[in-house]
Amino acid sequence: ETGVTQSPTHLIKTRGQQVTLRCSSQSGHNTVSWYQQALGQGPQFIFQYYREEENGRGNFPPRFSGLQFPNYSSELNVNALELDDSALYLCASTFGLLSGANVLTFGAGSRLTVL
Amino acid sequence: GQQLNQSPQSMFIQEGEDVSMNCTSSSIFNTWLWYKQDPGEGPVLLIALYKAGELTSNGRLTAQFGITRKDSFLNISASIPSDVGIYFCAGATMTTDSWGKLQFGAGTQVVVTP
Repeated sequence: ETGVTQSPTHLIKTRGQQVTLRCSSQSGHNTVSWYQQALGQGPQFIFQYYREEENGRGNFPPRFSGLQFPNYSSELNVNALELDDSALYLCASTFGLLSGANVLTFGAGSRLTVL
Repeated sequence: GQQLNQSPQSMFIQEGEDVSMNCTSSSIFNTWLWYKQDPGEGPVLLIALYKAGELTSNGRLTAQFGITRKDSFLNISASIPSDVGIYFCAGATMTTDSWGKLQFGAGTQVVVTP
């Protein structure tokens, strides 16, 4: 059973550019949540996808968008990058919308630096 | 921004000492979670609490779900060097949609010296 894998692990972009981050869910998990973790802070909920549909969104602007594919892998896209977008982006997967907390699995994250 | 207040922000302790940290919220949750995050890794769940007043242990870790449902604490007894890391509290509310939208505290950095 593989865990949650994210790619790339590190990347550097400049302001105004666009970025796509990828997440492969743990085997059997059909629900994916994305979190942004700024340096020295706890993760903040961006949005969640269930069965390829967005199911809830945190306080993030529309330039943060996502996709979930039929194999339950997911992408996070950020357009018009700003300096404050520099953060660790975490993907977490689980099975179903009402699974217990003990099955929510986080990936190691993608570290984005915006210059 | 963060809605959970986690304290202390950091702790420097000697090996063998006990560690206590807590988390308070302006909102009621029906689930409290405690995670540990090591450098370069994602958060790993330590303890999950589902009921007000619940006291749960996991080895040397003990956590409690506050009766008001607005607070929780985590204790680590007899600390060892591998306890070093950042500990996060998180609250969640199970709804008919999803419980999976966690709100995290800002973390407590624990440093253990021999």
